[in-house]
Amino acid sequence: DIQMTQSPSAMSASVGDRVTITCRASQDISNSLAWFQQKPGTVPKRLIYAASSLQSGVPSRFSGSGSGTEFTLTISSLQPEDFATYYCLQHKNYPRTFGPGTKVDIK
Amino acid sequence: EVQLLESGGDLVQPGGSLRLSCAASGFTFGNYDMTWVRQAPGKGLEWVSIAKTSGGGTYYADSVKGRFTISRDNSKNTVYLQMNYLRAEDTAVYYCTLGDSLNWGQGTLVTVSS
Repeated sequence: DIQMTQSPSAMSASVGDRVTITCRASQDISNSLAWFQQKPGTVPKRLIYAASSLQSGVPSRFSGSGSGTEFTLTISSLQPEDFATYYCLQHKNYPRTFGPGTKVDIK
Repeated sequence: EVQLLESGGDLVQPGGSLRLSCAASGFTFGNYDMTWVRQAPGKGLEWVSIAKTSGGGTYYADSVKGRFTISRDNSKNTVYLQMNYLRAEDTAVYYCTLGDSLNWGQGTLVTVSS
């Protein structure tokens, strides 16, 4: 099975900050990676698929990049509604696997 | 509008069984893979299983293989998760999702405890 890791596991940031989260796969997954955002008490929301394709309706301050084994999610200017936990998911092989999550909270 | 409505969550004793259902609407059900994802209290997301479109097969996480069975009834627009030999570590909110988790239901809580 493909193992996914994320760094950092948690971070504190301020409104307006540029935030970068990294996801690494244990083997080459090409561009088969999605990013999800989950706010406390709510259902996860897919932000990005195929590593860099923005889901319809997602603000353009979110972007994804990478291929192979290393991927990044970038929030260009953090907004108050962006404080949440972010997960990556590889959708290359079965079983699919999520990363452990990165919690972004207010500094 | 895509809607996914899970049901069947309950309190069950270790070793017991439960069947979850997910009723789908707002899209052509038979054309899409359907997935179950779970989240234990205070923990991260865990992919559980997928029922691919007709003839495409099923896949499972190692943690549930041999105990859980996913199935779908395209005539009823419903996907099921039969869970046997339940363990305390299966306690979680179980979400039904469309494809590779584009759309999510609200989830149903399964608690395994004596």
